[in-house]
Amino acid sequence: QVHLVQSGAEVKKPGASVKVSCKASGYTFTGYYLHWVRQAPGQGLEWVGWINPSSGGTNYTQKFHGRVTMTRDTAINTAYMELSRLRSDDTAMYYCARTTRKWEPYDYWGQGTLVTVSS
Amino acid sequence: EIVLTQSPGSLSLSPGERASLSCRASHSVDSNYLAWYQQRPGQAPRLLMYGAFIRATGIPDRFSGSGSGTDFTLTISRLEPEDFAVYYCQQYGGSPTFGQGTRLEIK
Repeated sequence: QVHLVQSGAEVKKPGASVKVSCKASGYTFTGYYLHWVRQAPGQGLEWVGWINPSSGGTNYTQKFHGRVTMTRDTAINTAYMELSRLRSDDTAMYYCARTTRKWEPYDYWGQGTLVTVSS
Repeated sequence: EIVLTQSPGSLSLSPGERASLSCRASHSVDSNYLAWYQQRPGQAPRLLMYGAFIRATGIPDRFSGSGSGTDFTLTISRLEPEDFAVYYCQQYGGSPTFGQGTRLEIK
């Protein structure tokens, strides 16, 4: 069965960077897009961007341009999201989620990674 | 960017009752690329509906979706205890956006 397993919680200081991983299993890693969605505490859902694990192509929402980088390692079926120049309002749960094509609903989600930004 | 507005913000009902959740878009959603998700406390969202009215795999038939263009509705015909959660609509016709959520609470 499909699983997306994310790395553990992180605590970072303002201005630092964080790199979150999402390990896929149970399906062909390069056959599906992986999106990243974040959720601030008690708030709604916000799309961050996607990566095409097959080509490495990416698409980020304008809000995060220049601060977010998505990569993948096909040898270990893992995608990464790195967010730099962290601010306190980046404190959120970050989820990876799978789609069949670039603009599709998310049929499987990771368990989430809590990133806390605090001095 | 398509802005999605969900109403009501919260809804208090009893098990066995019918729930209707609304999602209104600022612009027409292409090809009904509208999905609904359920999120229980401490869990990731779960896909319920896509294409406005297609149930995702394993979703019980008490959940139904309707609407087109800019107005969409998620209906839960007879509430079960496990249905009390937060519900989000999402448009995925381009850069995805989500509604702010409707909290469904036990009365």
